[in-house]
Amino acid sequence: RKEVEQDPGPFNVPEGATVAFNCTYSNSASQSFFWYRQDCRKEPKLLMSVYSSGNEDGRFTAQLNRASQYISLLIRDSKLSDSATYLCVVLNANDYKLSFGAGTTVTVRA
Amino acid sequence: DAGVTQSPTHLIKTRGQQVTLRCSPKSGHDTVSWYQQALGQGPQFIFQYYEEEERQRGNFPDRFSGHQFPNYSSELNVNALLLGDSALYLCASSRRGGQGYEQYFGPGTRLTVT
Repeated sequence: RKEVEQDPGPFNVPEGATVAFNCTYSNSASQSFFWYRQDCRKEPKLLMSVYSSGNEDGRFTAQLNRASQYISLLIRDSKLSDSATYLCVVLNANDYKLSFGAGTTVTVRA
Repeated sequence: DAGVTQSPTHLIKTRGQQVTLRCSPKSGHDTVSWYQQALGQGPQFIFQYYEEEERQRGNFPDRFSGHQFPNYSSELNVNALLLGDSALYLCASSRRGGQGYEQYFGPGTRLTVT
């Protein structure tokens, strides 16, 4: 079983729509959680860190459920520029290694 | 404030050759991690350097080795290249004790092995 699993998508949504997707992790010792955004053939860029039960940054909301071991990302009022692959990242508290999911692809259409 | 830089941006090698990739961390960062990203996959952790020592290692063979210099920059070396080593190699820097262990990535080196 992979340490971090994501629905690969793609999620095709119209501009202005809300899109949400989840990520599950297998290691209960996971300590910190992040969402990264990666554009085609570019490097991953930190979108947001996920603290405590969750947090909001503008149109982006991340939720963490430790009991069920999943993290979600919700994007409100989608923009064309939100089209990207979103990587779920988990930090293992025991060895401080980051584990990446394979990514969820989101395409926002006009 | 310069971000993470990597060189070269692209590289073509043949099987059996050796390659060295370079990374300079973001200003103020002291820890460098290396990742391999195959097409359609998330980055896979290779190893991490801090205080010029390899601190953590992923499931990669000994053909993959590295080094960190006193100025915190780092090199990734791959010996006896295989076709399967073709990938995007990403360097990420962070600061020990930094909030949430956030890592910032360089633009990557795209390695093609023929």
